[in-house]
Amino acid sequence: AQSVTQLGSHVSVSEGALVLLRCNYSSSVPPYLFWYVQYPNQGLQLLLKYTTGATLVKGINGFEAEFKKSETSFHLTKPSAHMSDAAEYFCAVRASVDDYKLSFGAGTTVTVRA
Amino acid sequence: ETGVTQTPRHLVMGMTNKKSLKCEQHLGHNAMYWYKQSAKKPLELMFVYSLEERVENNSVPSRFSPECPNSSHLFLHLHTLQPEDSALYLCASSPHRINEKLFFGSGTQLSVL
Repeated sequence: AQSVTQLGSHVSVSEGALVLLRCNYSSSVPPYLFWYVQYPNQGLQLLLKYTTGATLVKGINGFEAEFKKSETSFHLTKPSAHMSDAAEYFCAVRASVDDYKLSFGAGTTVTVRA
Repeated sequence: ETGVTQTPRHLVMGMTNKKSLKCEQHLGHNAMYWYKQSAKKPLELMFVYSLEERVENNSVPSRFSPECPNSSHLFLHLHTLQPEDSALYLCASSPHRINEKLFFGSGTQLSVL
């Protein structure tokens, strides 16, 4: 079974500062990893994904994440936070290309200070 | 606008009421999902439909009853709910059952009194 742990339920950053959201996973097979974002009063949107190949993946809105197998991590970063980045972020894992079930983390809420 | 519309946005119901949540997608997708989102807990997959056939019932209590009359519509019928069922219920769709890109609706915030 796959599971995801997001460290820190809430992160507060200053506008222009680095955003770092931590995600660790457990999986018995090479995983497929995802970050989703949920803006206030909206559903979740896919931010980026890792399936195979390059371990550093770039997503929308300047976010990127790096898959580190040795650390079982898939942390999300953005060099410079913008006010519009205030949202809830979810890490998710899927066991394989044939597994349709996504296991989500509990989410990390990001607030951006002016 | 993600193409997945959920109604109502908010719902308050008593434990003896019967209500239904509706989800509609205009994306031509073949798979639809119900998720439960409780505060500070991981999203819980409840049901999965692929081509109108239920392929997953994730140990959900029978007081939740899904219905998928066609590939564009998904319902969640609710009856005799408990206060702990209060949560945000999210509908999602994807082109196929095996597809990582889920398109979510904005959800129905349900409060059970």
